[in-house]
Amino acid sequence: GQNIDQPTEMTATEGAIVQINCTYQTSGFNGLFWYQQHAGEAPTFLSYNVLDGLEEKGRFSSFLSRSKGYSYLLLKELQMKDSASYLCAVRTDYKLSFGAGTTVTVRA
Amino acid sequence: SAVISQKPSRDICQRGTSLTIQCQVDSQVTMMFWYRQQPGQSLTLIATANQGSEATYESGFVIDKFPISRPNLTFSTLTVSNMSPEDSSIYLCSVDHGTGPLEQYFGPGTRLTVT
Repeated sequence: GQNIDQPTEMTATEGAIVQINCTYQTSGFNGLFWYQQHAGEAPTFLSYNVLDGLEEKGRFSSFLSRSKGYSYLLLKELQMKDSASYLCAVRTDYKLSFGAGTTVTVRA
Repeated sequence: SAVISQKPSRDICQRGTSLTIQCQVDSQVTMMFWYRQQPGQSLTLIATANQGSEATYESGFVIDKFPISRPNLTFSTLTVSNMSPEDSSIYLCSVDHGTGPLEQYFGPGTRLTVT
């Protein structure tokens, strides 16, 4: 099975930067995904890494190191609407396995 | 991206009854997935549904409890059978986009409460 770890909660101030780390142990790695989930809503796709390095998408960036089994999601210029749960998911073959999620609270 | 709808959006059911959840996609997709998200928890894959074959269930989930149909490339159903309060959860279907990085897109979910 997969072992995916991420912090439970993080709090940051509006306009600041927050980095959410994700470590994983898996066999048959086929990509790492980050999803955002607001309370009561379905997860929405944020980013995807399959090769080592940084992927930037506007205010959101995601980094992957396959040799270390490590990824992070970087949220810049935080806005109140970024308060949500952020899910790290590892793809093996065609299946996604999710971490428990990190609840980010943005304060004014 | 794919547009996914689910019915019902929520339901309250009695213990011992069954509920069938429908998932409709606006384009043909090979793989459809069913997940469960229990209160305060992350997503757990129940099964993978391919058209024309039996669903593949993950460890801890069985066909008798969660029968799945996949009659065509745009539709699937998940039935939660003989429900107990422990089945209270959000049930989500998702699909592979099919091109590019193969990200999965999720439906809005069905919030089930069993009393």
